[in-house]
Amino acid sequence: DTAVSQTPKYLVTQMGNDKSIKCEQNLGHDTMYWYKQDSKKFLKIMFSYNNKELIINETVPNRFSPKSPDKAHLNLHINSLELGDSAVYFCASSPPYGRGGQETQYFGPGTRLLVL
Amino acid sequence: GQNIDQPTEMTATEGAIVQINCTYQTSGFNGLFWYQQHAGEAPTFLSYNVLDGLEEKGRFSSFLSRSKGYSYLLLKELQMKDSASYLCAARGDSGGYQKVTFGTGTKLQVIP
Repeated sequence: DTAVSQTPKYLVTQMGNDKSIKCEQNLGHDTMYWYKQDSKKFLKIMFSYNNKELIINETVPNRFSPKSPDKAHLNLHINSLELGDSAVYFCASSPPYGRGGQETQYFGPGTRLLVL
Repeated sequence: GQNIDQPTEMTATEGAIVQINCTYQTSGFNGLFWYQQHAGEAPTFLSYNVLDGLEEKGRFSSFLSRSKGYSYLLLKELQMKDSASYLCAARGDSGGYQKVTFGTGTKLQVIP
């Protein structure tokens, strides 16, 4: 039943470690996103993929590398984790713009990352 | 460029009406969204406007004025469960692709 799922839900790790977050959607959407929501609750886009192709890459450190093995999955790998990476990371998906409808984004439950 | 402004916090009484305003400056604007986010949860879609005017959906309505770069979300008959953050988001053009930019959210507290 879950439309957009993310794993893990919680991630506590030490500085300098490498970690991955996985996202899957079963809505048949072509477009997927990664957002970061910091402690001030500001939701900022990091990456967007359309049909496995990277289309939006905001100013994000290159320690963050997204990977889309197929259009239903978008994973996020983070190298050399830093304290400032602590945040909630949301995956989302939507139909591509222009295909009709509102192209609403559907969000996953979030991954709460804490870097110690 | 993209810029979204909305108040940081608001307080309203149960049963009352509250209006949350949002102004935006968005290149190639083509849609305004409102999302609701309860503490510790993911944002969920509330409303979408692309043409000027009011869209009503039960207790929630959303208004858009494209010429003024302005939208508001109107919540009627407030309930305690409406306490949440309300995120205004504008879609526009970014390098030939569509991008949705979120505001910082308005934290609404409904009091008895």
